[in-house]
Amino acid sequence: DIQITQSPSSLSASVGDRVAITCRASLPISSSFHWYQQKPGKAPQLIVYAGSTLQSGVPSRFSGSGSGTDATLTITGLQPEDVAIYFCQQGFSLPHGFGQGTKLEIK
Amino acid sequence: EVQLVQSGAELKKPGESLKISCKGSGYTFSSDWIAWVRQTPGKGLEWMGIIYPGDSDTTYSPSFQGQVTISVDKSINTAYLQWDTLKASDTAIYFCARRGGGWYPTWGQGTLVTVSS
Repeated sequence: DIQITQSPSSLSASVGDRVAITCRASLPISSSFHWYQQKPGKAPQLIVYAGSTLQSGVPSRFSGSGSGTDATLTITGLQPEDVAIYFCQQGFSLPHGFGQGTKLEIK
Repeated sequence: EVQLVQSGAELKKPGESLKISCKGSGYTFSSDWIAWVRQTPGKGLEWMGIIYPGDSDTTYSPSFQGQVTISVDKSINTAYLQWDTLKASDTAIYFCARRGGGWYPTWGQGTLVTVSS
């Protein structure tokens, strides 16, 4: 199975900051990194797929990059509504696995 | 609107059986894979397995093989996750999710399963 390591596990930043969350796969997986946002009591919501494609309706301050074994989710201009847990997921081969999650808070 | 609607919360005792459901609407149900994902505070999101409603082709994560059964009734656009013998460690929120490419653009609202004596 492909293992996914996500970092950091938690992050605190100020409104307007640029924040980055990284994901590392145990094998090269091309651009098969996908990112989700989960708010309390809700299901995860897809925000970026195939490494860098923004899901419809997601604000442009979110962006994804990377391929191979490493990917990054970046939020440029952090907003209060971005407080959530963020997960990466590999879709390269079954079983599809998730990173451990990054809890994002506002300072 | 593409939607997955899951069955309600369950409170069960260890040793009991359980089957929870996930009903799709707004798309051709038989054409898109449906996965099940477990969420616990300690282990985050865990991918359990996936089924193709068109022919019931199923793949399980090794971690869940033999522990649960995934099935589907395409005549009523519904996927299922089933346990024969529940354990306290099965306490979690379970999500179904519709697969796009290798990603999951549509999720159910989640079903809380609590197993306690």
